[in-house]
Amino acid sequence: DGGITQSPKYLFRKEGQNVTLSCEQNLNHDAMYWYRQDPGQGLRLIYYSQIVNDFQKGDIAEGYSVSREKKESFPLTVTSAQKNPTAFYLCASSPPQAPYNEQFFGPGTRLTVL
Amino acid sequence: AQSVTQLGSHVSVSEGALVLLRCNYSSSVPPYLFWYVQYPNQGLQLLLKYTTGATLVKGINGFEAEFKKSETSFHLTKPSAHMSDAAEYFCAVSDLATGNQFYFGTGTSLTVIP
Repeated sequence: DGGITQSPKYLFRKEGQNVTLSCEQNLNHDAMYWYRQDPGQGLRLIYYSQIVNDFQKGDIAEGYSVSREKKESFPLTVTSAQKNPTAFYLCASSPPQAPYNEQFFGPGTRLTVL
Repeated sequence: AQSVTQLGSHVSVSEGALVLLRCNYSSSVPPYLFWYVQYPNQGLQLLLKYTTGATLVKGINGFEAEFKKSETSFHLTKPSAHMSDAAEYFCAVSDLATGNQFYFGTGTSLTVIP
């Protein structure tokens, strides 16, 4: 079945450590996205990528980094520079990035900083 | 700037009663509008979307929404609530002026009372 996988589902990190969240899709979508979800704040865009080897910052990119070396993969690294990283992280993809195309979401990764 | 307002962060209805979740948007150009549902600790699933054409849009699980340009609204309704409808609901807007990004509301948590 086609879809988006995110791993791990739960992740614990000590303060000062970098951690990488995985996102893989087999939908053959060009565009991929990373969102952060906090209670009562909806979804906020961290980074997005329209094609391989290209990505743009979203609204809250500080303290995060990404890469897009393959069409199927868009990993997100939460660095020690992110002051409040505890949150639910969602990865999404869409056919060529266009305003009328819906985004398809993965199951999410819950990151907790200890 | 584009934005979405969801009135009522928490809505409770009795099983079998009408569900009405409100969404108002701001957009300087014709919008594309989406409703997503999220169950606890899961990703978002598309319920329905409006792009062009008929302003009354039908989605999955018996939900529908009506695009009203004069009121800048896209409210979500369901005639009869079911226990399985209890979830978080997000409205989102996109348009050509945003560079194809989605802007999400802060969400409405629906409780269904037996």
